Amino acid sequence: ETGVTQTPRHLVMGMTNKKSLKCEQHLGHNAMYWYKQSAKKPLELMFVYSLEERVENNSVPSRFSPECPNSSHLFLHLHTLQPEDSALYLCASSLSDGNYGYTFGSGTRLTVV
Amino acid sequence: DAKTTQPPSMDCAEGRAANLPCNHSTISGNEYVYWYRQIHSQGPQYIIHGLKNNETNEMASLIITEDRKSSTLILPHATLRDTAVYYCIAKPSGGSYIPTFGRGTSLIVHP
Repeated sequence: ETGVTQTPRHLVMGMTNKKSLKCEQHLGHNAMYWYKQSAKKPLELMFVYSLEERVENNSVPSRFSPECPNSSHLFLHLHTLQPEDSALYLCASSLSDGNYGYTFGSGTRLTVV
Repeated sequence: DAKTTQPPSMDCAEGRAANLPCNHSTISGNEYVYWYRQIHSQGPQYIIHGLKNNETNEMASLIITEDRKSSTLILPHATLRDTAVYYCIAKPSGGSYIPTFGRGTSLIVHP
């Protein structure tokens, strides 16, 4: 365990479903991130929250909706996804200046059918 | 922001040292060099970082050239479990800079 916990580990959903991914950390970090990793592609940054405010939104489609209710929890709400959204979704946390590196969770493997 | 360049793949025999190079010829004075690795289908794992001096921890050693234009991550006695993609990133000290993970180097450790 890295200290960043993601649930569920695996998720299969239909294109009309609504689901949420959860990320939790108790490392005392105050920044949290969502990344997407498609097969054989580099990590793509999706969203960044620093001190519970969204500071980065990398042109992500509106069918992905992040939520950060406090510095320890981060959600990614999913609705009307497409098959090409199937990927490994990774959550990470750090101190807001990132000087001591980023701690990643194990990811949620999402399959959209 | 300094761009880093890494070979796409390398291989190494189990028990031997794995030396992974990274070029960062445009690195600026306040940018640290960070190394992460990602084992298949898991999240990236922080390994080590440094600014000027060589660094060592329980996982690896980081050798940074005097001109800071390149660095080498050394796994002194590679094991099969070290098979992973290794990422080299240049990141400024402080601020809200979010590092970009490129394609990294895919290291295969073989028996």
